[in-house]
Order: sequence, then C-alpha cells, then structure tokens
Amino acid sequence: DQQVKQNSPSLSVQEGRISILNCDYTNSMFDYFLWYKKYPAEGPTFLISISSIKDKNEDGRFTVFLNKSAKHLSLHIVPSQPGDSAVYFCAASEATGRRALTFGSGTRLQVQP
Amino acid sequence: DAGVIQSPRHEVTEMGQEVTLRCKPISGHNSLFWYRQTMMRGLELLIYFNNNVPIDDSGMPEDRFSAKMPNASFSTLKIQPSEPRDSAVYFCASSPDTTDTQYFGPGTRLTVL
Repeated sequence: DQQVKQNSPSLSVQEGRISILNCDYTNSMFDYFLWYKKYPAEGPTFLISISSIKDKNEDGRFTVFLNKSAKHLSLHIVPSQPGDSAVYFCAASEATGRRALTFGSGTRLQVQP
Repeated sequence: DAGVIQSPRHEVTEMGQEVTLRCKPISGHNSLFWYRQTMMRGLELLIYFNNNVPIDDSGMPEDRFSAKMPNASFSTLKIQPSEPRDSAVYFCASSPDTTDTQYFGPGTRLTVL
C-alpha cells in the first residue's frame, strides 16, 4: 500500500512557465513533508519542506502548498528553467518520532527551452 | 562542507559474494539512514541509526543484509551472500536531531551478476 503517491510519472513545461507537481498521501500521522530533486547518477537533493501546522512555504522560485483535509501537497516552480529538469520526489515523515521518510515514486520534470 | 560520502560508487560482483557498502555521514548529524532504490519499489528505507544505535531495521529484506555503525562517522551495509535481485542503487542519508530533513549521499550502484 503506497502511503505517498505521485500519480504523474512525467511532466513537460515550457521555460518561463509554471511547473506544478502533485503528491497525495494516505497516512494521517504524517506531519512533515519534503520535496527532493534528483539528477541522474546523483543522490536526492533536499529542495523545500513544510510542517503540517502550515499550509504554504516559499523559497525563491519554489513554493509548497499543503492541504491537510485533502491529504494533498503540491510544489510550484515559477518560473521554470531548463536546469530544473530532474526527477522530483515527495516524501513524508510521521509525528510519532519515526524519522524515516516515506517517498513517492517520483515525477520526471522536463523544462523545454 | 563535505556532504554524505559513500563508497564505492559502483560495485559489480557475482552472485554469492559478500558486498560491503560504506557511508560517512555529515559531521554532527546524529541520525543515519540506508535506503535502496529499485525500479519496482522506488526509494525504500532499509534501516536507520540514531546516535550509532539501530532504531528501525524493519526494512531490511532478510538475514543476508546487515548494517553497523561502530562510531558517529562511519556505517556499513553488508550483503552476504549477494543475489541478482539485490541489484539496486543504495543511498545513505544523515540528519541532525533538530530536523527531519535528510541529506543524501551520491549512492552506490550495485550490480550482482
């Protein structure tokens, strides 16, 4: 049973436009959410996070939105750049103190110049 | 600052051989995590340590897998004997106690023939 789901395996957008990556979760114990970016042959790189006490967190071109009632979060990248082309993973950790992350399956973003 | 260091970056071995993967976490981080990435199962936690003590090893697939953390700056993941289905990318990550954000190493790509 996948507790963190990224239903879109891939997304293609034009440079300068907005990229929106989505993530759904089923475990109501999750209280901390993260987005990681991964380039080929590299480890995942932390991008941005959000605690369940917030509904929005912004860092430069990246904004994460959290809708707890819908168990849904999204990552917005504005404006998108060709260097943003990578696989993006959504991850979550539980409030119980089990600090391991549960990852989604990833979305491959391609930003076209 | 040095990030998480993993060695080797690539390992090719034959079925039945022992494989040892190594990880040096970021200095000052109290928690260390081993993940495995496969096409079928995505990124999944194998085991994690806090202050050198194994906390959760529920993700270790079977007795052929073992992990140790003899001190705060070194951990190993051992597979003995290795099997072709162990072929995957193995990531090590570390985290300070003050946050659930984890920082990943570049990974070890293991191929068991």
